[in-house]
Amino acid sequence: TQLLEQSPQFLSIQEGENLTVYCNSSSVFSSLQWYRQEPGEGPVLLVTVVTGGEVKKLKRLTFQFGDARKDSSLHITAAQPGDTGLYLCAPLTGSARQLTFGSGTQLTVLP
Amino acid sequence: KAGVTQTPRYLIKTRGQQVTLSCSPISGHRSVSWYQQTPGQGLQFLFEYFSETQRNKGNFPGRFSGRQFSNSRSEMNVSTLELGDSALYLCASSLNPPPSNYGYTFGSGTRLTVV
Repeated sequence: TQLLEQSPQFLSIQEGENLTVYCNSSSVFSSLQWYRQEPGEGPVLLVTVVTGGEVKKLKRLTFQFGDARKDSSLHITAAQPGDTGLYLCAPLTGSARQLTFGSGTQLTVLP
Repeated sequence: KAGVTQTPRYLIKTRGQQVTLSCSPISGHRSVSWYQQTPGQGLQFLFEYFSETQRNKGNFPGRFSGRQFSNSRSEMNVSTLELGDSALYLCASSLNPPPSNYGYTFGSGTRLTVV
């Protein structure tokens, strides 16, 4: 059974600060997706990482896939209130017939 | 292009009743997945349909069922509602079913409250 852990569970920071959230598992993934969910809405796909050690940047967001493909991190530089939301990771294995989500990190960026 | 449309957006039902939720995927997407989201359990997988066939089902009782039509629209039904069924029900469509790197597009969900 794949154990998936996201940390921290909650994070509250001031606008302009940097932060990193993590997604860790005991299993090896073939790829991993990050989603952000705002209150009252469905999750929105941010990125898919596929290769171990891969780093992808989307403006102020930097996503990294671990070398062993068991973990991933999301780093936000100079956080803004618009970054507030629930950040979910969803790893994929080659045999998976469903997308399984972590419990998420609830980020609040205060103005 | 139009996104994933879920109806209704909000619903209040009484224990013991049944409910049907609808999902219209993005045009061309043939894979539709359903999730239940609650504060305590997070996003829990219900089932996934591809080309009118249920390919996978999560660990939910038989009161939860679904189907997909030839136009890829999907419905899920919950019978004999319980208080614990109160949740946000999310539908996600994808061009290709898992395992696929294509990614999901989610609807805004149906907020079901059972009283």
